Amino acid sequence: GESVGLHLPTLSVQEGDNSIINCAYSNSASDYFIWYKQESGKGPQFIIDIRSNMDKRQGQRVTVLLNKTVKHLSLQIAATQPGDSAVYFCAESNYGQNFVFGPGTRLSVLP
Amino acid sequence: DAGVIQSPRHEVTEMGQEVTLRCKPISGHDYLFWYRQTMMRGLELLIYFNNNVPIDDSGMPEDRFSAKMPNASFSTLKIQPSEPRDSAVYFCASSWKSGTSGIYEQYFGPGTRLTVT
Repeated sequence: GESVGLHLPTLSVQEGDNSIINCAYSNSASDYFIWYKQESGKGPQFIIDIRSNMDKRQGQRVTVLLNKTVKHLSLQIAATQPGDSAVYFCAESNYGQNFVFGPGTRLSVLP
Repeated sequence: DAGVIQSPRHEVTEMGQEVTLRCKPISGHDYLFWYRQTMMRGLELLIYFNNNVPIDDSGMPEDRFSAKMPNASFSTLKIQPSEPRDSAVYFCASSWKSGTSGIYEQYFGPGTRLTVT
């Protein structure tokens, strides 16, 4: 697998700090959202999802926040680790159809 | 389970040739997705199947692209004739409806890197 482009926004964080990755989505009718992680040379890996009837969902070290008013999604990673270094994508969908992926954000964890 | 299996992992072909990419979804999954990833356009959904039936192929770029799913354990994406602009990484993903954590938990394969010269 290959991560997207040369001009991805990049977020650099110190190991142990919290990371916040943001995503703006486009379709106000989207009712399902997913965050993916893509490491170099691999396919995207599902992290966490959220439906539009929720504004927050927590997983293991990750939290997704959804603000439908401004069509904004964020992924928070607690106590960021070197293994979290990857490209992170958000995706929006209208009840499982028309999946649209964002351009991605590269997370770089500094030692 | 071995996860989603794709073959070949790398394919280099000349313009005008037919290319066939293969995918074996995770057993028990009833949705299968084909994606394309390029530096310019990012990750794009091409087509997806539910219970072997194509549901949405609006992302298929043009008639040169076709996808089939003859049974629950196998799908192909064919490009005929191939062009240099088709060079990309093609991913297959499968999923099932999760009643608790969400609608779709997609599992991606490792991808096929296609280079058309």
